[in-house]
Amino acid sequence: NAGVTQTPKFQVLKTGQSMTLQCAQDMNHEYMSWYRQDPGMGLRLIHYSVGAGITDQGEVPNGYNVSRSTTEDFPLRLLSAAPSQTSVYFCASSAGTGIIYEQYFGPGTRLTVT
Amino acid sequence: SQQGEEDPQALSIQEGENATMNCSYKTSINNLQWYRQNSGRGLVHLILIRSNEREKHSGRLRVTLDTSKKSSSLLITASRAADTASYFCATDAENQGGKLIFGQGTELSVKP
Repeated sequence: NAGVTQTPKFQVLKTGQSMTLQCAQDMNHEYMSWYRQDPGMGLRLIHYSVGAGITDQGEVPNGYNVSRSTTEDFPLRLLSAAPSQTSVYFCASSAGTGIIYEQYFGPGTRLTVT
Repeated sequence: SQQGEEDPQALSIQEGENATMNCSYKTSINNLQWYRQNSGRGLVHLILIRSNEREKHSGRLRVTLDTSKKSSSLLITASRAADTASYFCATDAENQGGKLIFGQGTELSVKP
């Protein structure tokens, strides 16, 4: 199993550009989530999904969209990139939905917005 | 605001010593989890403790949970240089519909 994969590993955007960060998992997990990690801030939850067709907002959802058309994929879209979105983005998945168990993390995408 | 707050923010010890990290949280939880992150890498799950458990062990790791004080601690015994990493607690709060919220982390440095 590949686990949780994320692409790209690195990305540089100009302010105002849009892009999609890809996340896929092959463990048949219902729960998937996106976090951003900034220095000194730990991880902050952006959006999460408890199954295909179901998404919800986390702590810092503004400026980001998600969709979950399949169990495997959970892309994160930046609508109009801003320098404040410079961060490292992690996708994670977990079995179970009502209660969250062990989360498996991808390797991260390092995004710079200039 | 974040659910978990960790203490200390940074900890430096010698190999062979024990390392203790603390986590406090604000609301009732289903479980509390600890993760480890090596520099530049993704997070790795270490241990999960349920709200009705008070202590759990895994190898050199010991986790305690005090729901009356809304706090948890992670003890790493006989630390090694390879334990150098950031450690995060995360809480699955009750009635939140599936949000795992992380603390800011403790940066542990183990010197050989």
